[in-house]
Amino acid sequence: ETGVTQSPTHLIKTRGQQVTLRCSSQSGHNTVSWYQQALGQGPQFIFQYYREEENGRGNFPPRFSGLQFPNYSSELNVNALELDDSALYLCASREREKSYEQYFGPGTRLTVT
Amino acid sequence: AQSVSQHNHHVILSEAASLELGCNYSYGGTVNLFWYVQYPGQHLQLLLKYFSGDPLVKGIKGFEAEFIKSKFSFNLRKPSVQWSDTAEYFCAVNARGGYQKVTFGTGTKLQVIP
Repeated sequence: ETGVTQSPTHLIKTRGQQVTLRCSSQSGHNTVSWYQQALGQGPQFIFQYYREEENGRGNFPPRFSGLQFPNYSSELNVNALELDDSALYLCASREREKSYEQYFGPGTRLTVT
Repeated sequence: AQSVSQHNHHVILSEAASLELGCNYSYGGTVNLFWYVQYPGQHLQLLLKYFSGDPLVKGIKGFEAEFIKSKFSFNLRKPSVQWSDTAEYFCAVNARGGYQKVTFGTGTKLQVIP
C-alpha cells in the first residue's frame, strides 16, 4: 500500500511568484486536506477536498487555492507569494466514509525570498 | 471554533523518566482526539487516537493517553522514555460532523538525554 506522497520536496520562490504543490493520496482515500506548518508551530488547516470539491476552509486568503482530480490526487496553488508563506506544506488523506484518521505526507518545504 | 492548547513547549528528560504532556481543547460538541509525533527529519505519524469508548487509549511505542471529558483534556503519558522518543509531539482535535477539519496544538518538543 503506497502512502501519501508529495512533490517537490523543497522549493525556493521569490515574493510575488506563484507556486503549485502536488499530493498523491493513499490508495482508496477520497478526502485530501492541506496544512501549513510554519517554523515552531503546529500545522494549520488550509482546506479540504472531497470528490473534487472544496468542502471546508481554514483562515487563509483566496490566493490559496486547490484542486482535486478524479484519481483523488490534489494540488495546492499559492498566488502572489509573500515572505510569510515560507513553511512546510503538508497533505493528508483519508477515506471519509470509513475513518476520521488522516495519513500525512512528508511535506513540501517552501522558502519565499 | 475549536482550539487546542499544549502547555509544555519544551521538555527535557533523562532516559527512564516518566513523561506526561498536557493537552486541553476547547469545543462544545463531540470530538475526536489525536496525538501525532514528528521525529527529526520525518513526517507526522499518528501515535494514538480517541474516537469513543474507553477513555484510556494505548498507542504505539508504549504511549497512552487519557480523555477526561469534564476537563477537556487528553494528556499523553509514557512511564519510561527512551532517547529515541526525542521528537515533537502534537495534540489535535476534530469536531464530529461537518467537514471535520483537524486543529493542532503548537507542539511540545521533547528532548531525552541518554
